[in-house]
Amino acid sequence: AQKVTQAQTEISVVEKEDVTLDCVYETRDTTYYLFWYKQPPSGELVFLIRRNSFDEQNEISGRYSWNFQKSTSSFNFTITASQVVDSAVYFCALSGSTSYDKVIFGPGTSLSVIP
Amino acid sequence: DSGVTQTPKHLITATGQRVTLRCSPRSGDLSVYWYQQSLDQGLQFLIQYYNGEERAKGNILERFSAQQFPDLHSELNLSSLELGDSALYFCASSVDLGGSSYNEQFFGPGTRLTVL
Repeated sequence: AQKVTQAQTEISVVEKEDVTLDCVYETRDTTYYLFWYKQPPSGELVFLIRRNSFDEQNEISGRYSWNFQKSTSSFNFTITASQVVDSAVYFCALSGSTSYDKVIFGPGTSLSVIP
Repeated sequence: DSGVTQTPKHLITATGQRVTLRCSPRSGDLSVYWYQQSLDQGLQFLIQYYNGEERAKGNILERFSAQQFPDLHSELNLSSLELGDSALYFCASSVDLGGSSYNEQFFGPGTRLTVL
């Protein structure tokens, strides 16, 4: 069965601090996709990144970076120099490789960035 | 803006009532997915339709049903509503050209349902 675990329920950091959100996943598929979504207080789901299981290269996008380690089944997300606007719930998610596969979401990590 | 629209944005109703949530997928997308986000269950998949046919079912209650129309918009019908049905309901769509290639799901803004 597929499962996504985000052990950190809530995190508070002071503005400009770096913060890492952990994500551990379980799947028997050899091909799968991992995602991070941001859900700000307004409620919509904002897509941040998608990674293919065959691509373990780390990715950096501005202040955001992702570390994918297949050996530990982890896909961690780091925000550098956090800002108040980063305050949101962040979801890690997993999907199989076909359109028959639903997206399995983790429970989410609520990040509060304090000015 | 994902291109997926959902109406209404907010819905307040009473227990025992029936409501219909509507989703218009992105132009050209054949698959529509419904997800429920509640405080106790988190974000979970309910059901998927592809080109008018039901394709996959998740944790959808028998009181809930969905359909996809010839113009590809979809409706999620929730009946005999209970307090616990209060949640944010998301619709997502994907192009789904078939085969084994991945088709990214694009999420709508959600409909917030409050059952009083």
